[in-house]
Amino acid sequence: GAVVSQHPSRVICKSGTSVKIECRSLDFQATTMFWYRQFPKQSLMLMATSNEGSKATYEQGVEKDKFLINHASLTLSTLTVTSAHPEDSSFYICSARGTEYSPLHFGNGTRLTVT
Amino acid sequence: GQNIDQPTEMTATEGAIVQINCTYQTSGFNGLFWYQQHAGEAPTFLSYNVLDGLEEKGRFSSFLSRSKGYSYLLLKELQMKDSASYLCAVMDSNYQLIWGAGTKLIIKP
Repeated sequence: GAVVSQHPSRVICKSGTSVKIECRSLDFQATTMFWYRQFPKQSLMLMATSNEGSKATYEQGVEKDKFLINHASLTLSTLTVTSAHPEDSSFYICSARGTEYSPLHFGNGTRLTVT
Repeated sequence: GQNIDQPTEMTATEGAIVQINCTYQTSGFNGLFWYQQHAGEAPTFLSYNVLDGLEEKGRFSSFLSRSKGYSYLLLKELQMKDSASYLCAVMDSNYQLIWGAGTKLIIKP
């Protein structure tokens, strides 16, 4: 089955620093990748949608200058949380699909803790 | 607006059968997905229905009625490891996934 690798699985950083999270589709070409955030006991919240080679589309309320998304190839997307603050602490999950009709396959998520 | 409804929480007994319902109202329909999410983990894909009817995959089955805007996920021979949240998601006419809030399933011995 389709595999999506997300790295790192856990990261602890100090307030004001930046953190980069990588999302790779290992055995398929991901035309579209999605970034989600999930707070404890809450639903997945879509942050942004990225298509390979174009700018990401951010959901309302998500700061594009704070959450930088790059989808430079069909197998790699990155999310950079810039100038992280404690309120950015959350579970960040990427997902990818090959075509419009394909199911989403999720990475294992990254638990970010900002101290 | 677009809306996905599913029960917040359900409880069932090990070895039994449970049905988790999902109703939806979306702008267009390009398929319905079910995902399983264990606490602290990312969701994993369970099923995809785009045509009416029942899709069976081992202990899990998923049903779709497009005319009623309704789906259910049926879990048989429940095991303790099935304790998780089950997410219903519909792909709309723009091929975007609209997510339900998830149903937390608690399995008791």
